[in-house]
Amino acid sequence: AQKITQTQPGMFVQEKEAVTLDCTYDTSDQSYGLFWYKQPSSGEMIFLIYQGSYDEQNATEGRYSLNFQKARKSANLVISASQLGDSAMYFCAMREGNYNTDKLIFGTGTRLQVFP
Amino acid sequence: DSGVTQTPKHLITATGQRVTLRCSPRSGDLSVYWYQQSLDQGLQFLIQYYNGEERAKGNILERFSAQQFPDLHSELNLSSLELGDSALYFCASSVGTSNTEAFFGQGTRLTVV
Repeated sequence: AQKITQTQPGMFVQEKEAVTLDCTYDTSDQSYGLFWYKQPSSGEMIFLIYQGSYDEQNATEGRYSLNFQKARKSANLVISASQLGDSAMYFCAMREGNYNTDKLIFGTGTRLQVFP
Repeated sequence: DSGVTQTPKHLITATGQRVTLRCSPRSGDLSVYWYQQSLDQGLQFLIQYYNGEERAKGNILERFSAQQFPDLHSELNLSSLELGDSALYFCASSVGTSNTEAFFGQGTRLTVV
C-alpha cells in the first residue's frame, strides 16, 4: 500500500536561511505524483508544488523546489530564503497511480517555525 | 484564494445530531474530494465525486454520505454525530480525475459537544 513518511515533527529555521523538509514515500506504482501543501495556523491547505514520477527535472515554484530522488523514494521540499510567513505545517502527499482518481495520501506533516 | 468555497466555516453541534457541509468547486472543475483532518487520524481521504458520480471511496463511515449535484456543488452529510467526529473537513476540487492538482477550500471546522 502507498505510504508517505515525514520524520520531522518540527523544524526551526532562521529568517533568510534555506530549509529542507523531508518526505519519503512507498509505492509499487510506476506512475505517481508527489505534492507539497502548506497549512498556516488559519487552517487552509495551500498547494505549493507538484512532481510527477516521470518528470526528469526537479520541480521549482518560486522559493520552493522539490528535491526528487526516485531511487531513494524521497521528495524533499526545499524552501530558500525563509520568511516569517513561511511558519506553518507542511504536508507531503502522494497521488495513487489509479487513473480514475486523484485522491491523495498525506504524511503526518512537519511544523516549520521561522525565527527572526 | 483557491476558488473552492466551503460553508459553513465553523459548526458546533451536539452528539446524535446531523449536519450538512457544503462545497462549491472552482469554476470548470468536475471532481470534488472530501477529506477529514483530525488530531489522531491526520488527513484522510473520504470520498470523491466526478461530474455527479461517485468515483472513489476512502475510509468513510456509514453514518457519512455525500453527493454532487448537477451544478457540481457537493454536500457531505454527517449523521448520528459522535465526539470523535470533531475535525476539520476539507473539500478539494480538480479539473479531472488524473494528473491534475487538487485545490482545497478553507475547510469546515466541526465541533461535536
